Amino acid sequence: DIVMTQTPLSLSVTPGQPASISCKSSQSLLQSDGNTYLYWYLQKPGQPPQLLIYEVSKRFSGVPDRFSGSGSGTDFTLKISRVEPEDVGVYYCMQSTQPQLTFGGGTKVDLK
Amino acid sequence: QVQLVESGGGLVKPGGSLRLSCTASGFTFSDFYMSWIRQAPGKGLEWVSRISKSGDSIYYADSVKGRFTVSRDNAKNSLYLQMNSLRAEDTAVYYCARYVAALDYWGQGALVTVSS
Repeated sequence: DIVMTQTPLSLSVTPGQPASISCKSSQSLLQSDGNTYLYWYLQKPGQPPQLLIYEVSKRFSGVPDRFSGSGSGTDFTLKISRVEPEDVGVYYCMQSTQPQLTFGGGTKVDLK
Repeated sequence: QVQLVESGGGLVKPGGSLRLSCTASGFTFSDFYMSWIRQAPGKGLEWVSRISKSGDSIYYADSVKGRFTVSRDNAKNSLYLQMNSLRAEDTAVYYCARYVAALDYWGQGALVTVSS
């Protein structure tokens, strides 16, 4: 299985300031079809995860443009340009390049 | 709007069985792969299983292979997870999600507690 490693484990951010989360995969997520199946989710307290970013950099429906994704191969980054109070929770990366999906361990984001 | 509602969770003894259901609405269920994901208390997300549109292609996590069985009834817009030989480490909230390479919509989850 592909191992997904997220850093940092936690992040404390002042509202209005940027934040960045890294996700590294144990093997390349680039598929032969040219797509890279890397996703980002946010799980707010007491809620199921919600999809933020699909295929590395595409924002899902309704996701604010302060969220952006980048990267290629095995190294990926989620950036929040200006953290808002509603952005607190745990962020997960996930790959679906292989049939057995795997998630990163999560990055907890809270406010200073 | 897309809705997924899990049911069937509860308390079960080690070695016991439980069947979870997920009822879908707001989209054409038979057009989509579906997946189960679980989250142990205070822990991260663990993918459990994936089933194709017709049910002819199925994958499981190694941790549940041979004990869990996923199935679907497209006529009833329903997804199922039959869980046998349950262990304490299977205690988790179980989510169903629509799978389009991304898991784009998730249910609210059903809590399964395995304890004597």
